[in-house]
Amino acid sequence: DGGITQSPKYLFRKEGQNVTLSCEQNLNHDAMYWYRQDPGQGLRLIYYSQIVNDFQKGDIAEGYSVSREKKESFPLTVTSAQKNPTAFYLCASTETRGGSTDTQYFGPGTRLTVL
Amino acid sequence: QQQVKQSPQSLIVQKGGISIINCAYENTAFDYFPWYQQFPGKGPALLIAIRPDVSEKKEGRFTISFNKSAKQFSLHIMDSQPGDSATYFCAASKAGPSNTGKLIFGQGTTLQVKP
Repeated sequence: DGGITQSPKYLFRKEGQNVTLSCEQNLNHDAMYWYRQDPGQGLRLIYYSQIVNDFQKGDIAEGYSVSREKKESFPLTVTSAQKNPTAFYLCASTETRGGSTDTQYFGPGTRLTVL
Repeated sequence: QQQVKQSPQSLIVQKGGISIINCAYENTAFDYFPWYQQFPGKGPALLIAIRPDVSEKKEGRFTISFNKSAKQFSLHIMDSQPGDSATYFCAASKAGPSNTGKLIFGQGTTLQVKP
């Protein structure tokens, strides 16, 4: 069953803690993306990676970090430097590195709440 | 110039009615305009997409109308059903040598179809 999995579904964090959100895909897609979703603001790009061992900042990268050591995995770390981390986080992937018409497939999301 | 503006923020339609969601963009380099549908607690999924070389694309009850000169595009849902109740996002991306497949999303429209 091909697709994108994200874990955990819900995550609670205390202020000052770093947390890592998992994203795994078995679609053999080259490119992977992390978005943050807040009510009324749509989806905003945090980081993206077009190839293993390479990634670029998106529009709101401050306070986040990523790695891409394997093609199928693109974990996102929300650091204590992120001032307002409570949000719904979505991971996505596309088949090729830069096709503008490639469909982005999304995972089910992780809802992060800072206590 | 990178923004995609979407309206309305929310929409209530009676069953069987037509739902219309509008988006506007500024960057003429955009060449791919997808619409995504998102149910509560789930990731978005591609609904329908259009390239600027056509003015309309229809898939079942869903139609995209595209006005290149006005830099606007819209989603029409004919014979709206309660199962269409979801959040809809328009998006845009651009081709070119530095293309990364990045999507710029609108703010989203929450559609409620009343039985």
